[in-house]
Amino acid sequence: GENVEQHPSTLSVQEGDSAVIKCTYSDSASNYFPWYKQELGKRPQLIIDIRSNVGEKKDQRIAVTLNKTAKHFSLHITETQPEDSAVYFCAASNTGAGKSTFGDGTTLTVKP
Amino acid sequence: ETGVTQTPRHLVMGMTNKKSLKCEQHLGHNAMYWYKQSAKKPLELMFVYNFKEQTENNSVPSRFSPECPNSSHLFLHLHTLQPEDSALYLCASSQDRADNEQFFGPGTRLTVL
Repeated sequence: GENVEQHPSTLSVQEGDSAVIKCTYSDSASNYFPWYKQELGKRPQLIIDIRSNVGEKKDQRIAVTLNKTAKHFSLHITETQPEDSAVYFCAASNTGAGKSTFGDGTTLTVKP
Repeated sequence: ETGVTQTPRHLVMGMTNKKSLKCEQHLGHNAMYWYKQSAKKPLELMFVYNFKEQTENNSVPSRFSPECPNSSHLFLHLHTLQPEDSALYLCASSQDRADNEQFFGPGTRLTVL
C-alpha cells in the first residue's frame, strides 16, 4: 500500500519568513496530492491540492510543487503570518485505491 | 460550517458501555470516511464507504463497528472499548472517489474510562 512520509514534524519561523514542508510517497500510481490545514481545536480543511499532470500550483501565498520522478511534493508558504500557525497534513491518493494516505503532520508556529 | 456534522461532540464512556457516533453530510457526496486522530497517529484511516458499500477496513478491531444506511449518514458503533481508544474521531466525505477533496466534520472527542 501507499506510504507517505512528512518532514519536518515541527517548524518554527519568524513572521514574514517562508515555510516549506516536504512529503514523499511510495506508490507511483498516486495521482492526487492535497494539503490540509488544521487549526487548534478545529477540523482539517483543504488549502491547496495538485494532480499528477501538473508540476506546480499557486494560490496567493501558498504553492505546491510535485516531482513525480522522485515521488515527492512540497508545500511552500511565503510571507508567513501568525494565523498560518496550525498543523499541516499532506496526503496521497489514487483513483483505484479508494482512499487517501495522510502524512503524520507538521506543526507550524509563526512567531510575531 | 454545516456541510458535515457529527454528534455527539464529546462522549465519556466506560469500558462496558455501548455507544454510537453519528455523522451526517449535506453535500451530496457518495464517499464517507471514519478517521481516528490521536497524539500517536495524527490521522489514521479506519473505514471507507463508497455508495453505501464498505470499501476499506484498515485492520480496525471488531469493537468498532461501522454502519452506512445511506450516502448521507455514517455511524460508528462502539462496544467494550479500551482506554487507548480515547481519541478524536473524525468523519469526512468526498464526491465519489478518494482523489477529491475531503470535507471533515468537527469530530467527536471520546474518552474511555
